[in-house]
This record gives sequence, C-alpha cells and structure tokens, in this order.
Amino acid sequence: DAGITQSPRHKVTETGTPVTLRCHQTENHRYMYWYRQDPGHGLRLIHYSYGVKDTDKGEVSDGYSVSRSKTEDFLLTLESATSSQTSVYFCAISAGSSYNSPLHFGNGTRLTVT
Amino acid sequence: LAKTTQPISMDSYEGQEVNITCSHNNIATNDYITWYQQFPSQGPRFIIQGYKTKVTNEVASLFIPADRKSSTLSLPRVSLSDTAVYYCLVDRGTYKYIFGTGTRLKVLA
Repeated sequence: DAGITQSPRHKVTETGTPVTLRCHQTENHRYMYWYRQDPGHGLRLIHYSYGVKDTDKGEVSDGYSVSRSKTEDFLLTLESATSSQTSVYFCAISAGSSYNSPLHFGNGTRLTVT
Repeated sequence: LAKTTQPISMDSYEGQEVNITCSHNNIATNDYITWYQQFPSQGPRFIIQGYKTKVTNEVASLFIPADRKSSTLSLPRVSLSDTAVYYCLVDRGTYKYIFGTGTRLKVLA
C-alpha cells in the first residue's frame, strides 16, 4: 500500500473552532488531494496540490484552506468549523503522469463538529 | 470535466458475474477510464484502468466500446467480500479528479 498517513484518525470539535487535518506521504508523489465523503454525496474534491506551494480549488472549497510547504505534507484547515463540515475526510496522492498513475487514498479522518 | 453516470446500486449472488456500466458521453480523445473500489470505512482503491477495447487484470475486466462513451467493469464470480461501492472516473489528465456517486454493489449469499 502507498505510504499515506492521515492524522488524526478521529476528531470531535466544537462549532467555531479551527481544525487542521494532516496528510503525510512517503512516496514523493507530486499530486495530493483532499476529499470529503458524506452519505448520498460520494467523494467530493475540496482542494488539491500539484506541487510545493501550488494548490487549487476543487468542487467544495468554501470554508477550507490548504497548505503544502513540503512535498510530503498537505494540510487541510477549517478556519471556523461548522456542523456542515462533519464528514469523513480522505487524502489521496498521485504520481501524476496520468496513465498508470492512479490515486492512492489514506484511511480517512472522521471529523465531528458539535 | 467529464461527467459520469452509473447505477446507484446493484444486487448479485455469490458466484455470479457482475457487470457495472458507466456512461461518459463527453469523453475526450485523450481521456482514460479508471475504476475504483471502496469498502466501508476505507479509502477507495484502484481496480483497473483502460483507454479502449478490453483490459484484464487479476481482479476485473474493463470493456470499452469503440465510441468510448461508456465502459463496463466486469467482476467474475463475485463473493461476499466484493460488496463495496464502485466508482468510474474519467481521467482527463488535468489531475483534478472528480468522482461521481458510484455504484453500491451488494453480494448476497
């Protein structure tokens, strides 16, 4: 399995507090992604990164920010968490040469905002 | 972005062959088709990828007709452990991967 570690695995936080989720990879892959998964919505892309300090928005980026200061780490921040951000968050990586470079996913972070 | 359409759910019995079809009418010349499998409480994992005709690996086969407007994932002789959600993804090479809602396959004993 691809070396992807998401932390924390579970988190409960209160509305209005800042939250940062971390994705760490040991594959030296260029591309990193954050998805959220909710019942009835499948996987939705929040933000992605195509290199150090290079990021772009996905489908549902409002309320989220990201940073990538090193190849191996991609951080997702909820500046002021809301109950609608209760979800399972998945990080994914890709070598990025398209064919034969599929996405590899982490095991997810379950976030509950009360 | 290439939009995909899949059945929301399917049921099958153990030992049967399961075919899940994905529609991608606006697929472009350079797009690839990739399928992922997701078990509960896990991230999706890559199953198979193809461009045209037929691709087979140890897990599944992927059939893509000449017009490439659809693709069919074929799982031979499914078992209970194949119960999962299956996603079809059209890879445009932009690295902005947008997933559809997937097909929930339930394998019955």
